[in-house]
Amino acid sequence: KAGVTQTPRYLIKTRGQQVTLSCSPISGHRSVSWYQQTPGQGLQFLFEYFSETQRNKGNFPGRFSGRQFSNSRSEMNVSTLELGDSALYLCASSLGGLRRTNTEAFFGQGTRLTVV
Amino acid sequence: QKEVEQDPGPLSVPEGAIVSLNCTYSNSAFQYFMWYRQYSRKGPELLMYTYSSGNKEDGRFTAQVDKSSKYISLFIRDSQPSDSATYLCAMSSDNYGQNFVFGPGTRLSVLP
Repeated sequence: KAGVTQTPRYLIKTRGQQVTLSCSPISGHRSVSWYQQTPGQGLQFLFEYFSETQRNKGNFPGRFSGRQFSNSRSEMNVSTLELGDSALYLCASSLGGLRRTNTEAFFGQGTRLTVV
Repeated sequence: QKEVEQDPGPLSVPEGAIVSLNCTYSNSAFQYFMWYRQYSRKGPELLMYTYSSGNKEDGRFTAQVDKSSKYISLFIRDSQPSDSATYLCAMSSDNYGQNFVFGPGTRLSVLP
């Protein structure tokens, strides 16, 4: 079955612009999480959506937002881009149930965003 | 102090060696522990998952969790060049969500 698909793979934006990244989860998965990965901070949790509702949120400014559609596909948006937003943005999908019976989160290849 | 600490390496070992990767953490609420492997330019892939304390074995991989010491380990037996990657530990206290806290990762090189 198809894995987690993230588009685009690479993106170059100018400071001050906004950007939208897309994530298509594995079929049947209802939870989509987003992470930011940088050399300095590592992997940091942005937010999680489950059944079109934000279930968890990390410690990022309001410029970072997301949404999930009825088919579980998710988008994240970053407004007023800053140089420090340059990173690999990863999304992960999972079934979304109780942790003990839902152990696997599958990651996509990521979108590499460069802000110049 | 970061919530999850991990030796960043790089760690270089000869093929066939036993590799020990470790993480320490400060949040006693963590109860779900995972190890991910990330190859260059790829997303992380789940290797091992452990709930609470104890050991778990899967092929050449063994995960250990010691909650009393706030310390987790991943052992790789008979290491192969294909194991060369960055290994990330991840933890969660959430019964439902996927909001993991990741360690910074250890870069491992297995030399043929």
